[in-house]
Amino acid sequence: EVQLVESGGGLVQPGGSLRLSCAASGFTFSNYWMSWVRQAPGKGLEWVANINQDGSEKYFVDSVKGRFTISRDNAKNSMYLQMHSLRAEDMAVYYCARGVDSKDYWGQGTLVTVSS
Amino acid sequence: SSELTQDPAVSVALGQTVSITCQGDSLRSYYASWYQQKSGQAPVLVIFGKNNRPSGIPDRFSGSSSGNTASLTITGAQAEDEADYYCYSRDSSGNHWVFGGGTKLTVL
Repeated sequence: EVQLVESGGGLVQPGGSLRLSCAASGFTFSNYWMSWVRQAPGKGLEWVANINQDGSEKYFVDSVKGRFTISRDNAKNSMYLQMHSLRAEDMAVYYCARGVDSKDYWGQGTLVTVSS
Repeated sequence: SSELTQDPAVSVALGQTVSITCQGDSLRSYYASWYQQKSGQAPVLVIFGKNNRPSGIPDRFSGSSSGNTASLTITGAQAEDEADYYCYSRDSSGNHWVFGGGTKLTVL
């Protein structure tokens, strides 16, 4: 059974940093593109970042470029989102998802709250 | 353009057919995928590619595309189909991706 489990969310002050993790199981992690998608409270889905199978290709939504980095460790079946200079508008549930042009499995999300 | 435009809300009578549309210039070049999200839950992929359903998705869900518009059609809507629906595709550059604003489907 495919499982994606996010962790690392929490309360952070504006300007702070946080690192999200996504633990994958039930499939050959190294064969798939992976993604982060976020959803602000009461709002729609927003694509955040994609990373290819070996981590050599990374793409970001413009609003997080230069502040967020995406990485993966195929030996640990894990993907990460390092977030710096967090802003109020980054507050959201962050989902880990499998795939690039379509996302066939999603985690349950981890909540990032940006507030002083 | 990096935008995908959806109607904010659509309603359908129980058992009837409804189409949810997604418009954007990039859809002339790229397929959209469609996601169903029920309140408090993670999104679920319902349509991808030209018109493909993942395992477990009922065949009342179908997809199509023409010009700059992609459509998700539910033939014989059920009460459990009431949810938010999002389209997703690449933008015209090909290396950014975008979700539509979402359509809230109400089944009457």
